[in-house]
Amino acid sequence: DTGVSQNPRHKITKRGQNVTFRCDPISEHNRLYWYRQTLGQGPEFLTYFQNEAQLEKSRLLSDRFSAERPKGSFSTLEIQRTEQGDSAMYLCASSLEMASGGGYNEQFFGPGTRLTVL
Amino acid sequence: AQSVTQLDSQVPVFEEAPVELRCNYSSSVSVYLFWYVQYPNQGLQLLLKYLSGSTLVKGINGFEAEFNKSQTSFHLRKPSVHISDTAEYFCAVRSGGYNKLIFGAGTRLAVHP
Repeated sequence: DTGVSQNPRHKITKRGQNVTFRCDPISEHNRLYWYRQTLGQGPEFLTYFQNEAQLEKSRLLSDRFSAERPKGSFSTLEIQRTEQGDSAMYLCASSLEMASGGGYNEQFFGPGTRLTVL
Repeated sequence: AQSVTQLDSQVPVFEEAPVELRCNYSSSVSVYLFWYVQYPNQGLQLLLKYLSGSTLVKGINGFEAEFNKSQTSFHLRKPSVHISDTAEYFCAVRSGGYNKLIFGAGTRLAVHP
């Protein structure tokens, strides 16, 4: 399967614990995005990377959240001191941004990691 | 700032009937518009997109959408639905100057036999 993969698919944790999710994008894609989807809502943008550089972060990304993409390939999203309000589906997407810039670059989504904070 | 409003949270419909899922957007710049489908426990799959050109856009699975700039709408239609179309549908906008997608709250399409 050459699509976007995410691990784990499900995570149950207790409030106050730290959790880390991993996203493996489509291999040649240079852009990687993280979104959060709460029950009954559409996905909300969290952050994105161009190769290993984190270029934009949403105000939703509090200081308890950190994302990395150390070698411009896979990415990790860590949540420290989890709260019940962090319970959501965390979606990763990737795209190929052409060097010429502009235009459209389709984002391909992974299956998501569902986090439940007890 | 861009925003997307999906006017119906749920749409029940009988199999083989036509369906329209409504989407309105707001943006001060030119936009790219998308419809995604999400099946249970799966990620989002792109149904169709409007970038420019013809305002009637055809996508996968027999879906189509029409971009209406004056009404700032991008409604999704299918002339005859199947049970397998039961899913959550999201309208999204990507502004030409931004890289993120802004999604509506979603419309749950329930197709009944």
